[in-house]
Amino acid sequence: EPEVTQTPSHQVTQMGQEVILRCVPISNHLYFYWYRQILGQKVEFLVSFYNNEISEKSEIFDDQFSVERPDGSNFTLKIRSTKLEDSAMYFCASNPQFYNEQFFGPGTRLTVL
Amino acid sequence: AQSVTQLGSHVSVSEGALVLLRCNYSSSVPPYLFWYVQYPNQGLQLLLKYTTGATLVKGINGFEAEFKKSETSFHLTKPSAHMSDAAEYFCAVRNSGGGADGLTFGKGTHLIIQP
Repeated sequence: EPEVTQTPSHQVTQMGQEVILRCVPISNHLYFYWYRQILGQKVEFLVSFYNNEISEKSEIFDDQFSVERPDGSNFTLKIRSTKLEDSAMYFCASNPQFYNEQFFGPGTRLTVL
Repeated sequence: AQSVTQLGSHVSVSEGALVLLRCNYSSSVPPYLFWYVQYPNQGLQLLLKYTTGATLVKGINGFEAEFKKSETSFHLTKPSAHMSDAAEYFCAVRNSGGGADGLTFGKGTHLIIQP
């Protein structure tokens, strides 16, 4: 069964460093998303992406964040200068069309020291 | 703005007992509602969804939920709990109704199954 994959599973970085989290959505899906979950808190929407541009973004998704689909298969989230409060589990999701379920990847745990 | 409230951060039931997880929502657009389950160290898996049509929706693993517009609720139930149901459960509502819709999640309910 097709699934969303994410790499790495765990990333440790120093405050102020740039990180890139990678996702491979399901191949025929058209809509892509990033969410984050700070430990013990709820899952929060960051951004959605369609047709090579951002469709919707939350207040969390400020200028430190960017997304890209560089090669037609990968979908990346870049954090330019990480802060301690960026430590969280980051989930990628995708779906094939409007209003269908979003399929979530297993997540990348980001730890900022 | 959308919001989701899940009553009870922890719910404990005995194996074989009824499971009831509560979800209330606020939405400025016709709500599309979802329940996701998260097992330890795993991603989110869809249990069921309501978009339009029948208000009682059935999902995987014997779960079902009923959309009640008058009560702005979408409670999740299962007649008989199994040990394997122990997990975190999240209720979610779509954000805007257009384009690539993000989801707004509740804080989650940790379901504990007592043997």
